Amino acid sequence: GAVVSQHPSRVICKSGTSVKIECRSLDFQATTMFWYRQFPKQSLMLMATSNEGSKATYEQGVEKDKFLINHASLTLSTLTVTSAHPEDSSFYICSALGQGNVLNSPLHFGNGTRLTVT
Amino acid sequence: GQQVMQIPQYQHVQEGEDFTTYCNSSTTLSNIQWYKQRPGGHPVFLIQLVKSGEVKKQKRLTFQFGEAKKNSSLHITATQTTDVGTYFCAGIPGNQFYFGTGTSLTVIP
Repeated sequence: GAVVSQHPSRVICKSGTSVKIECRSLDFQATTMFWYRQFPKQSLMLMATSNEGSKATYEQGVEKDKFLINHASLTLSTLTVTSAHPEDSSFYICSALGQGNVLNSPLHFGNGTRLTVT
Repeated sequence: GQQVMQIPQYQHVQEGEDFTTYCNSSTTLSNIQWYKQRPGGHPVFLIQLVKSGEVKKQKRLTFQFGEAKKNSSLHITATQTTDVGTYFCAGIPGNQFYFGTGTSLTVIP
């Protein structure tokens, strides 16, 4: 159980275009989803916390107009990288929190999306 | 902002040697979780610690939560090549998960 599907796994796009990444919880309802960014050999940096039906909470330094997050349902959150530039190339990974709360639930991760902007 | 630091950043050990990674938070944590990420993969949940001073074991892995709930450690006894990967702690000060800087473990056969 507790499967999180992230799509696409890899995407290459041209500078200036937008890319949408989907994160789905397949067998549970995810009231909260987290979006992370990971550079090679570095840790996961929290970008934003997404709650179903409300606006995402962005971490300091993350541009909300550039990284649009939508959590329209209990099983789907999307991250759109708008007007992508080469410096946005990274590994983006979502995670979902199942029923319960952060005090008693582990995170379930998607497989990540490798974004390359040329 | 929230900082969760881990040391060491990298560790190379001979197979059979022990390994320990330490996690330190700048603030008190509600709980702490540990994850393992294999190269090219995504983090996989290992364990959660909630109580002050808590110690949990999973076979050769021993996890400890500090008395002040600001630090934690993961100890692996007699490492094996399957232990290779990056180990992250994740501190939960409120409602967000903040990952530590990670410790990359290499096991030399």
